[in-house]
Amino acid sequence: KAGVTQTPRYLIKTRGQQVTLSCSPISGHRSVSWYQQTPGQGLQFLFEYFSETQRNKGNFPGRFSGRQFSNSRSEMNVSTLELGDSALYLCASRKTGTSSTDTQYFGPGTRLTVL
Amino acid sequence: QQPVQSPQAVILREGEDAVINCSSSKALYSVHWYRQKHGEAPIFLMILLKGGEQKGHDKISASFNEKKQQSSLYLTASQLSYSGTYFCGTRTGGGADGLTFGKGTHLIIQP
Repeated sequence: KAGVTQTPRYLIKTRGQQVTLSCSPISGHRSVSWYQQTPGQGLQFLFEYFSETQRNKGNFPGRFSGRQFSNSRSEMNVSTLELGDSALYLCASRKTGTSSTDTQYFGPGTRLTVL
Repeated sequence: QQPVQSPQAVILREGEDAVINCSSSKALYSVHWYRQKHGEAPIFLMILLKGGEQKGHDKISASFNEKKQQSSLYLTASQLSYSGTYFCGTRTGGGADGLTFGKGTHLIIQP
């Protein structure tokens, strides 16, 4: 079974621009979560989508948004990029999104550099 | 609130044992352990549930102390492949929550 895929793998943007990252979950998984990973803050939860609805959101400004499509693929968008947005953005999928025992599988991430 | 992992880093010789701890100030429902190698995705190791038993496979096992809201990951007879950063992720409620991760423990295994 194919794993979680993310595109693009690397991205360089300048301050003020916006960016869209894409994530395809494991086949059959309906829940997609997004995380930001930085050396200083570690892995931080951005939001989770299940059945095209955002169910949870972490403590990030409104510049960070996302959506999920009917095929469970998800995109996240960051508008008005700031230098501090430079990070590895990880997507993770799990089967139902309703069970605490669901294993969450991570994709390889998108490395975003903001200049 | 972010769980606290300790130690922050540890260097071992191949064959030695290691313990990584993860503590929370909140009552936990589940603890999820991951290992991440540089430039790669975090890889799932195991889940521990409230009221569940100690888990393990191969030479990696973990426990969950509900009274202390603490989980420990045990690596015995460490191998070079165990090197990486270990993260614990926690859930305080049902399955709809995102995972809250600790800052990680860097493990270096030397030959």
